[in-house]
Parts: sequence; structure tokens; C-alpha cells
Amino acid sequence: RKEVEQDPGPFNVPEGATVAFNCTYSNSASQSFFWYRQDCRKEPKLLMSVYSSGNEDGRFTAQLNRASQYISLLIRDSKLSDSATYLCVVPDPYSSASKIIFGSGTRLSIRP
Amino acid sequence: EAGVAQSPRYKIIEKRQSVAFWCNPISGHATLYWYQQILGQGPKLLIQFQNNGVVDDSQLPKDRFSAERLKGVDSTLKIQPAKLEDSAVYLCASSSSGLAGDGGLDTQYFGPGTRLTVL
Repeated sequence: RKEVEQDPGPFNVPEGATVAFNCTYSNSASQSFFWYRQDCRKEPKLLMSVYSSGNEDGRFTAQLNRASQYISLLIRDSKLSDSATYLCVVPDPYSSASKIIFGSGTRLSIRP
Repeated sequence: EAGVAQSPRYKIIEKRQSVAFWCNPISGHATLYWYQQILGQGPKLLIQFQNNGVVDDSQLPKDRFSAERLKGVDSTLKIQPAKLEDSAVYLCASSSSGLAGDGGLDTQYFGPGTRLTVL
């Protein structure tokens, strides 16, 4: 099993819709998780951190399910500008430094 | 505040040639990372520096890749000789301390990357 797995998509949804995608991780010792956003041909940028059961920031909600070892990202009232690749990130729990492991990303496309 | 700077932005070389990338992290950031991102995949850590020391280079193909951060500020990544499968975007990132603790983790800030094409 890969350390971090994501549905690659693409998810193609109309503007205004709600969309959610999951990320599963293999190591139960992982304590904190992140979602990064990467626009086409741009660098990744931190979107949200998840340290406990979940986190909400405006239209974005990240939830953590430790029992099933997955985190999810929910986007409400989607905008055209939300079109991007969303990367799930899990810290390497065996690293004494700040090594993080990226998933392959989920592509999201919002249509007018 | 200036972000992470990288150069060049694009590079096209033939296989077996050499290439070098440069990165200047955010001022004051002690930790610097080099990632390789192949099309359709997430970034993969190649090497991590804490000041001028290597913290993790377990995924760096040391037979052809090398990196240095001599004065603990900017860094160079070199590939010699390049192979076709090295075609990717090479991302540099930095964080203030990089030290993990209590579940917290310093945010990594990425540069725009260098897109390498090996023909």
C-alpha cells in the first residue's frame, strides 16, 4: 500500500456545486496532515492543515478519520478559480526532521 | 517578503549532458528542500538541508545527482550525466526551522521550479 493515495480524478463539476475527495494514508502514527493546492504549471501552496478531527476555512473543510486512516477535503459553492490539483500531504512519522510525503494529487476542474 | 527564487525557469538538454539548478530560499529560513516532480505525480523529496548540513538525502540518486548549500543560504542541485527519466520540474522549498514537534510542522514555501527536459 502506498504511503499516501489519492483519487487522481479529474473531477469535473459545475460552478456552485459541492465537491469532496479523499486521501488515504498507510501509517497510523501520522499526527498531522495537510492539503496543498497546485495550479497548472505553478508551485504547490499550503491550503489547509489538519491536526485534530478537522478544520474549516470559509468554503473549505478538511476532515480527519483516524480509524479509517483517511482525510477528506470538501469544497462548497465551488468557484471557477478552485480549478487546480489538490495534493494530500502526510508527514513522515519516522523522520526526525520535517520530511513530508505528497500524494499524486486530485485534479479538479470547475466548469461555468 | 521575497519568496523562494529559482533559476533557470526552463532548461532543455540532451541526455548525458550536465545541468545545474540554483535556489535562494526565503531570508532567514534554516531549512531548504529540493523536490523532483514528474508529470502527473506529487513532489518527491530529493534532499533536505538544515543550515549547511544534510538532514535527509535518502532518495537522492547519488550516482548522478549532487547538491550543496555551502554557506547555509542558497543551494545548487546538479545532475551529471542526465538521463531521459530526469525530465521533471525541480522544486526548491524552504521553511523557517523545519523541525517537527507536537504534531506541528513548519510550512514549506515553494519556489516556481525549474522545468527540465532531457532529449
